[in-house]
Amino acid sequence: DQQVKQNSPSLSVQEGRISILNCDYTNSMFDYFLWYKKYPAEGPTFLISISSIKDKNEDGRFTVFLNKSAKHLSLHIVPSQPGDSAVYFCAADQGGKLIFGQGTELSVKP
Amino acid sequence: GAGVSQSPRYKVAKRGQDVALRCDPISGHVSLFWYQQALGQGPEFLTYFQNEAQLDKSGLPSDRFFAERPEGSVSTLKIQRTQQEDSAVYLCASSLQGQNYEQYFGPGTRLTVT
Repeated sequence: DQQVKQNSPSLSVQEGRISILNCDYTNSMFDYFLWYKKYPAEGPTFLISISSIKDKNEDGRFTVFLNKSAKHLSLHIVPSQPGDSAVYFCAADQGGKLIFGQGTELSVKP
Repeated sequence: GAGVSQSPRYKVAKRGQDVALRCDPISGHVSLFWYQQALGQGPEFLTYFQNEAQLDKSGLPSDRFFAERPEGSVSTLKIQRTQQEDSAVYLCASSLQGQNYEQYFGPGTRLTVT
């Protein structure tokens, strides 16, 4: 049973526009969340994280929003660039081990 | 500085062979994790070390899988009597601390069992 879900397998966005990637979780005990980006044949690269004591964390073009009551988080990328094209994974920390979603493949078109 | 490195990058094994996958974490990182990633899926947790102590091995799929980190730095994931369902990418990650902290991943080892 998937505790972390990314329901959109793919997303296509025009360069310069906003990309919004969504993630839902089922376990209300999760208190730390992370987003990773993955290019083919490489390992996941850490992007940004958020603790459950916050509802927003921002780092440059990347912002993560956490809605604890809805058990939902989202990653906003503004403005989107072609180099952002990759698979994005959200993950929840459970005692150190990361529980990953299935990933969303983002394609940013010039 | 150097990131997490893994070797080999690619491994082809005949069914029934034993394989050993190596991970060199970032220097000074206390925690080390192994994950398995099947095609089209997110990584799935296998096991976790803090220094040389294996704190969690709940994700290891069978007793054919064994991991060690004897001196608290380099780690080896060993798979005995490989089977076709073991084919996957095996990812290693390290972290400064065990919980609620970002983990940094290596490039992975793609294992194909024929």
